[in-house]
Amino acid sequence: GAVVSQHPSRVICKSGTSVKIECRSLDFQATTMFWYRQFPKQSLMLMATSNEGSKATYEQGVEKDKFLINHASLTLSTLTVTSAHPEDSSFYICSASGGSIHEQYFGPGTRLTVT
Amino acid sequence: QQQVKQSPQSLIVQKGGISIINCAYENTAFDYFPWYQQFPGKGPALLIAIRPDVSEKKEGRFTISFNKSAKQFSLHIMDSQPGDSATYFCAAQTSGSRLTFGEGTQLTVNP
Repeated sequence: GAVVSQHPSRVICKSGTSVKIECRSLDFQATTMFWYRQFPKQSLMLMATSNEGSKATYEQGVEKDKFLINHASLTLSTLTVTSAHPEDSSFYICSASGGSIHEQYFGPGTRLTVT
Repeated sequence: QQQVKQSPQSLIVQKGGISIINCAYENTAFDYFPWYQQFPGKGPALLIAIRPDVSEKKEGRFTISFNKSAKQFSLHIMDSQPGDSATYFCAAQTSGSRLTFGEGTQLTVNP
């Protein structure tokens, strides 16, 4: 099956610093990648959709200048949380979609803690 | 109209029992209905999915029942095992669009 990896799996950073999270599709080319955040005991909330080589489309209420998304290749997308604050602490999950327009394969998630 | 409502929020089942989770949707344009299983600290994994042209799909112990007229679909886990304890999310999607997730059901299977 299709495999999506995320790095790092967990990160702790100080308030005001920036953190970059990588999402890679390991065995397929991901034309579209999605970034979600998930708070404890809640559902996944879509933050943005990115297509390779073009700007990401952000969901309403998501600050594009705070959550920078780059999808520079068909196997890599990055999410950078800029000037992180404690309220940005969450579980960030990416997913990738290749040939099938319906199937999305999820990464293992990244636990971000901002102190 | 884009919402998918999921129930129950939590479910406790004895080992060997049947777990049933229900979802309802409004948007008749949805044409793909997947179920995801998520363990604590992990990303969701696709469990089983159905399209609206069939009323039931079975894969091993997992079955999706789909009622197009009622705009409802459900996940049945037969012979539930402690290893099935996880959070389950239903979702719905139209072609080329994003997934719309239900609120999730925390399933606990007691030994």
